[in-house]
Amino acid sequence: AQSVAQPEDQVNVAEGNPLTVKCTYSVSGNPYLFWYVQYPNRGLQFLLKYITGDNLVKGSYGFEAEFNKSQTSFHLKKPSALVSDSALYFCAVRAPGTYKYIFGTGTRLKVLA
Amino acid sequence: SQTIHQWPATLVQPVGSPLSLECTVEGTSNPNLYWYRQAAGRGLQLLFYSVGIGQISSEVPQNLSASRPQDRQFILSSKKLLLSDSGFYLCAWIGDWNTGELFFGEGSRLTVL
Repeated sequence: AQSVAQPEDQVNVAEGNPLTVKCTYSVSGNPYLFWYVQYPNRGLQFLLKYITGDNLVKGSYGFEAEFNKSQTSFHLKKPSALVSDSALYFCAVRAPGTYKYIFGTGTRLKVLA
Repeated sequence: SQTIHQWPATLVQPVGSPLSLECTVEGTSNPNLYWYRQAAGRGLQLLFYSVGIGQISSEVPQNLSASRPQDRQFILSSKKLLLSDSGFYLCAWIGDWNTGELFFGEGSRLTVL
């Protein structure tokens, strides 16, 4: 069965500092991996995805993520955090040949001015 | 361009009353459609997904049901709501099935009293 783990409930970072939000996954075969962001009382917005190819994926708003197959991880990163990045971040996985997208429990990012 | 609509945005219902949440996608045909529930602002639980009219897969046994009466319409229902049905319900669809990410609606917040 496929699963996603986001080990941190909350990450605090100072504005201007780099940020990392962690995600590990378990899936059979080569995974499709995704990051989403959610602002209060809104739907989820797509940030970036890894399907195949280069392990470093660049997405919206300056975010990037690195796919590490040996560690089964897909951590979200940004070189310089903004206060406006404060939100709830979700990692998701889909196994090839399946219809199900499984989401992690979310990590709340707080960027402090 | 494709858009997804959910309504109502907010709903307060008494225990034991019926429920109907509607989701409609515009600008595409034969989308795969999903219902997720988010409790207490955290993780997303996959409730139902549909790959075509009348084709519904249920992920979690409960007193909710889903129907897809038209190609781009997905309805979440209950005959008798429970307190535990309270939550934020998100509809999503997939654009490009081979590689694609889910696109989410703005959600329907249900409070059962």
